Amino acid sequence: GIQVEQSPPDLILQEGANSTLRCNFSDSVNNLQWFHQNPWGQLINLFYIPSGTKQNGRLSATTVATERYSLLYISSSQTTDSGVYFCAVLDRGSTLGRLYFGRGTQLTVWP
Amino acid sequence: DTAVSQTPKYLVTQMGNDKSIKCEQNLGHDTMYWYKQDSKKFLKIMFSYNNKELIINETVPNRFSPKSPDKAHLNLHINSLELGDSAVYFCASSQGRDGRKLLFGSGTQLSVL
Repeated sequence: GIQVEQSPPDLILQEGANSTLRCNFSDSVNNLQWFHQNPWGQLINLFYIPSGTKQNGRLSATTVATERYSLLYISSSQTTDSGVYFCAVLDRGSTLGRLYFGRGTQLTVWP
Repeated sequence: DTAVSQTPKYLVTQMGNDKSIKCEQNLGHDTMYWYKQDSKKFLKIMFSYNNKELIINETVPNRFSPKSPDKAHLNLHINSLELGDSAVYFCASSQGRDGRKLLFGSGTQLSVL
């Protein structure tokens, strides 16, 4: 299956700082999503972004499908942004939702 | 109203027991999934149903059996539980078969003693 690598594995920030999380994937994709797992374990879908750029409040994401990577930007971090951020992809040859997840970036935001 | 709900939230049981986890979605989605998250937080798909038809069946022990009585419900039954089955099990749903805009339930923490 497709390989998904996320970096950095851990990130510690002061409140108010900006950050960039990266997701590299080993093959062409037609489905890429970013998720946030909060400290209570809930998985929230942040973006469906197989290509291009999207913004939602302080979060934005960019996927450059031809270069096989996606970036998640968090601006003006807040303590509520803490948790694990996952990237998940579906390879271009698949029509079924067999998403492959990266191992995540653990983000800790201190007040 | 919760979009994807699963019960129970916590399940503590002895080795060798049989247990079930239930999932329901009120989004009108056609496709539902079971994912397993291990102790290192790695998420892996187990099964997927589309309109009650099994469409994804990953390599999992046959002690795990999903059942979908209708497209709004997907249950997971686990026979003869083993220590290694301890994990968080997430139900999820999406409108189409391709898993785009996947929405997760709140998870079931299974602990096998």
